[in-house]
Amino acid sequence: EIVLTQSPGTLSLSPGERATLSCTASQTVNINYLAWYQQKPGQAPRLLIYGASSRATGIPDRFSGSGSATDFTLTISRLEPEDFAVYYCQQYGSSPLFTFGPGTKVDIK
Amino acid sequence: QVQLQESGPGLVKPSETLSLTCTVSGDSISNYYWSWIRQPPGKGLEWVGSISSTGSTDYNPSLKSRVTVSLDTSKNKFSLQLSSVTAADTAVYYCTRLSSWFGCFDSWGQGALVTVSS
Repeated sequence: EIVLTQSPGTLSLSPGERATLSCTASQTVNINYLAWYQQKPGQAPRLLIYGASSRATGIPDRFSGSGSATDFTLTISRLEPEDFAVYYCQQYGSSPLFTFGPGTKVDIK
Repeated sequence: QVQLQESGPGLVKPSETLSLTCTVSGDSISNYYWSWIRQPPGKGLEWVGSISSTGSTDYNPSLKSRVTVSLDTSKNKFSLQLSSVTAADTAVYYCTRLSSWFGCFDSWGQGALVTVSS
């Protein structure tokens, strides 16, 4: 089983700042099969990034993904008020077929 | 644009079977893979199971003995059944569309809270 670890658990930043979120896998993840989601309170998660670095439809270009093998990063270049949320990484390919990281909460400093 | 909507009882008794249905609109269920994901209150996301347009299924091994996901292409719906539920199965259950090309969940329903309690 591939275990995903996310750090930090909580990131306290101000609007306009840059956010860097990390996702580390216990084994190599196929770069095509690493995704990132944003979840706001009371809402369903929303797909942000797929294939490690491709933005989903309608996602602003301040969101970017990078990485390979076991280390992946989600970067928000300049935080907007609506970006304060919980972010999850997710992998596909190893039993169980799909696993999620525990999440990183980005809150307002 | 595809839309997904979960429906089903919000309260299930321990040892009984949880049943949810997802109605898909805006696209044919025959064109994609579909999945259920759950989230216990205040916790993270857990994949439950997936089904292809032809009815082939995959389940989380931790739930496999209790889970059934099925498809009704005539009604453009798919369903989840989880048997012998306990309080640990209390969660928001999301139905999702699965992108088989990239192994990610690109559309989500709003979620349905199911509480297991007597």
